[in-house]
Amino acid sequence: DTGVSQNPRHKITKRGQNVTFRCDPISEHNRLYWYRQTLGQGPEFLTYFQNEAQLEKSRLLSDRFSAERPKGSFSTLEIQRTEQGDSAMYLCASTKTDHYGYTFGSGTRLTVV
Amino acid sequence: AQSVTQLGSHVSVSEGALVLLRCNYSSSVPPYLFWYVQYPNQGLQLLLKYTTGATLVKGINGFEAEFKKSETSFHLTKPSAHMSDAAEYFCAVTETSGTYKYIFGTGTRLKVLA
Repeated sequence: DTGVSQNPRHKITKRGQNVTFRCDPISEHNRLYWYRQTLGQGPEFLTYFQNEAQLEKSRLLSDRFSAERPKGSFSTLEIQRTEQGDSAMYLCASTKTDHYGYTFGSGTRLTVV
Repeated sequence: AQSVTQLGSHVSVSEGALVLLRCNYSSSVPPYLFWYVQYPNQGLQLLLKYTTGATLVKGINGFEAEFKKSETSFHLTKPSAHMSDAAEYFCAVTETSGTYKYIFGTGTRLKVLA
């Protein structure tokens, strides 16, 4: 069990640029979640995959955001035309279907300048 | 809709003193409840969880929490604080079906004084 891995750990980008983050979940975990955490707040749900199927998206996830999980393994979260309001920590978590209690990655901190 | 309220965004205790972090939830269905800890620039680590069964739940690092349905509470305690406990603590509630997505509280930053 190597844990949930997220890359990069930090990303600084100029407003208007596109960014992509990667999450590698624990291998036997079929559920994968993306959360966003802004300063002084708890994480907020963005989207959820069961295997390769994206089953729910929060209304926080505007049309500039897209997430994929090809083949039910790693996942990517892309933000197009970044805005300063997108600056946050993006957290990935995984779990087995009937196992309550996520394992979180260390997150990707995005700064849009 | 589910929600979580954590009373006290900052709590300070002396080393060796009791730690009490408060969490109240709102849920229309039996909840599953969690406490997570987050160290600076890190992800969240599960401290403990309540799903079913015994309402007093023991977790890692000497923490425990008690599910009180009548008070809709799930407060986190530790008998004796250690300097290494300084961190941010999040309470979360989840649906018991469907996505199992979490609703987190806004967090409580614990400071331990020497």
